Amino acid sequence: GNSVTQMEGPVTLSEEAFLTINCTYTATGYPSLFWYVQYPGEGLQLLLKATKADDKGSNKGFEATYRKETTSFHLEKGSVQVSDSAVYFCALRSTGANSKLTFGKGITLSVRP
Amino acid sequence: DAGITQSPRHKVTETGTPVTLRCHQTENHRYMYWYRQDPGHGLRLIHYSYGVKDTDKGEVSDGYSVSRSKTEDFLLTLESATSSQTSVYFCAISGTGALNTGELFFGEGSRLTVL
Repeated sequence: GNSVTQMEGPVTLSEEAFLTINCTYTATGYPSLFWYVQYPGEGLQLLLKATKADDKGSNKGFEATYRKETTSFHLEKGSVQVSDSAVYFCALRSTGANSKLTFGKGITLSVRP
Repeated sequence: DAGITQSPRHKVTETGTPVTLRCHQTENHRYMYWYRQDPGHGLRLIHYSYGVKDTDKGEVSDGYSVSRSKTEDFLLTLESATSSQTSVYFCAISGTGALNTGELFFGEGSRLTVL
């Protein structure tokens, strides 16, 4: 079946540091890949997505590239801010009309001023 | 923001009592989902619905039932709550056809504590 593996957390960084959060997946075919973010006390919201190999999703300074050869979708940001402190979830959705999202376990990011 | 309202937002109950959580949407989306979020487990799908009166089980459906009598409402019921069901529950919706971007829209969550 489908699965998503995220690096272990939590992650603590200083403001303006470079961020990488690793995500690898197992799926048949060509799934769509997503990063969701959950700010404290809120539900999840889509951060970015990519629907085919070599696509790059980007939003709010975050980027992730769909790497079919390494089955990865790592999240990066060049300079994090305190306001980026949140929980980040990698997810995939297989092809098919009734397919559902499979989430990774999430990782907590804390950014210090 | 997607029009999704969960109620109640917080509830404390005792073991063995029934609990119903409600999800209401104003987007007319076909698909609705219930997830639970627990530390170390991320989000796990409990049940989902692909239309009125059409529901199916997710990966952690034991101890839960759902109902969807109209498009806008999706109810999650714990017939006899147990402490292992203490969690934060999220409702989500997604569209089909032209509305199907693959994205889920989430409610703000319902925190349930079973004593």
